[in-house]
Amino acid sequence: EVQLVESGGGLVQPGESLRLSCSASGFIFSGYWMHWVRQAPGKGLVWVSSCNSDVTFASYADSVRGRFTISRDNPKNTVYLQMSSLRAEDTAIYYCVRGGPYSWSSLEYWGQGKLVTVSS
Amino acid sequence: QSALTQPPSASGSPGQSITISCTGTSSDIGGYNYVSWYQQHPGKAPKLIIYEVTKRPSGVPDRFSGSKSGITASLTVSGLQTDDEADYYCTSYAGSDDWVFGGGTKLTVL
Repeated sequence: EVQLVESGGGLVQPGESLRLSCSASGFIFSGYWMHWVRQAPGKGLVWVSSCNSDVTFASYADSVRGRFTISRDNPKNTVYLQMSSLRAEDTAIYYCVRGGPYSWSSLEYWGQGKLVTVSS
Repeated sequence: QSALTQPPSASGSPGQSITISCTGTSSDIGGYNYVSWYQQHPGKAPKLIIYEVTKRPSGVPDRFSGSKSGITASLTVSGLQTDDEADYYCTSYAGSDDWVFGGGTKLTVL
């Protein structure tokens, strides 16, 4: 059974940094693209970032490019989202999502999400 | 990276069929057959119900179907059931390893 468990969320002040982690199990982690998608309270889903198996390819939404960095540790079956210079508008539930073997493979399995609140 | 356009709400009675549209551009929906649809119940994570425009993951009822014409994709839910009441989101691959989501449609089963 595919499982994705996010951790590392919480309350931070504007301008601070935070790192989200996503621990994966139930599949061969190194064979899949991984993604982060966020959802502000009461709002819709927004794609944030994606990376391939060895992070030779990483992409970002315009709203986070230059502030967020996606990375992964395949032996630890974990993908990360390092978030810096956080803004109030980054407040959201962040979902870790497993894709497929290709960048265009569907975002198939979702974690339960982790809330990040940016507020003074 | 402009969001895809979905109607904010849709409704139908049990047993009826409804169709939700999702309009993009030639750079996303119109350029690729990689449109997916997700169902999200309140407080829950999204669930994939349609991928690659028309395909259903294992376990998704065939009451859910997808299609695409030009820059518009559609999700049809037939034989509406009360449990279908949820938010529905479309997404499309947009090239260069990017993805774009629709704003979501709240489906009410009257």
